[in-house]
Amino acid sequence: EADIYQTPRYLVIGTGKKITLECSQTMGHDKMYWYQQDPGMELHLIHYSYGVNSTEKGDLSSESTVSRIRTEHFPLTLESARPSHTSQYLCASSEWGRSGREKYEQFFGPGTRLTVL
Amino acid sequence: GQNIDQPTEMTATEGAIVQINCTYQTSGFNGLFWYQQHAGEAPTFLSYNVLDGLEEKGRFSSFLSRSKGYSYLLLKELQMKDSASYLCAVPLSGGYNKLIFGAGTRLAVHP
Repeated sequence: EADIYQTPRYLVIGTGKKITLECSQTMGHDKMYWYQQDPGMELHLIHYSYGVNSTEKGDLSSESTVSRIRTEHFPLTLESARPSHTSQYLCASSEWGRSGREKYEQFFGPGTRLTVL
Repeated sequence: GQNIDQPTEMTATEGAIVQINCTYQTSGFNGLFWYQQHAGEAPTFLSYNVLDGLEEKGRFSSFLSRSKGYSYLLLKELQMKDSASYLCAVPLSGGYNKLIFGAGTRLAVHP
C-alpha cells in the first residue's frame, strides 16, 4: 500500500545532540515538504523539495537542514538540538499533477514529536 | 500577498450541525482544500473545491464562492470523533507547488 512514513514517532533528546528525522514515501511523489507545528498552532513550512537534489527553505526560518538523494527519502537533520526545537515535525508529499487536486493535494506522514531537554 | 482567516475555536453539541468559515485572499486561485487534523496526528484530506457551489460528501459538505473569497465546511450529525482542528488551505499563486494553510479551527463536540 502506498504511504508516507516517519520515524521516530516520538523522540526525547538532550541539548546539543545531533538528530535526523526520517521521512519516506512509497507513492513515487516528486514533491516533498517538512512542516513544523507547535501544539494547537498552525503549520509552518520549513523545507521543501521538487525532486532529487532539489531543496529549498520554506517560509519559517529553521536551523535544520534537509537532503534529497533519493526520490522516496527526505530526511531532516538538526546538528545541535536545543529546547527551542521542541515541536512536532510533519512530512508531506504530492505528485506532479497537471492541475487541481492532483497537483496540489499533500499527503501527510504521522509526524515526529520532538522534545529537547 | 496571500492570507487565510478562520475562527480559532468552535463548540457544538453531538448530533447538531456546525459551519466552519474560511475567507482567503489570493492573487490567483487554484482551488481550496479542507483538511481535518486530530490532536497530535497528521492532517487528512476532506475536500477540494475549485468551482463555486456546494459539494456534498456524506456528513461533510464544502462550499466555495470565488467572487467573495469565501468557503465553509458544513458538518452534519456531529459525532464526538469530529472533535478536531479543521484547516483551510489554498495553493500559493505564482506557479509554486506549495499550500498556504490557515491557522485552523479547533472544534469541540460535547455530548
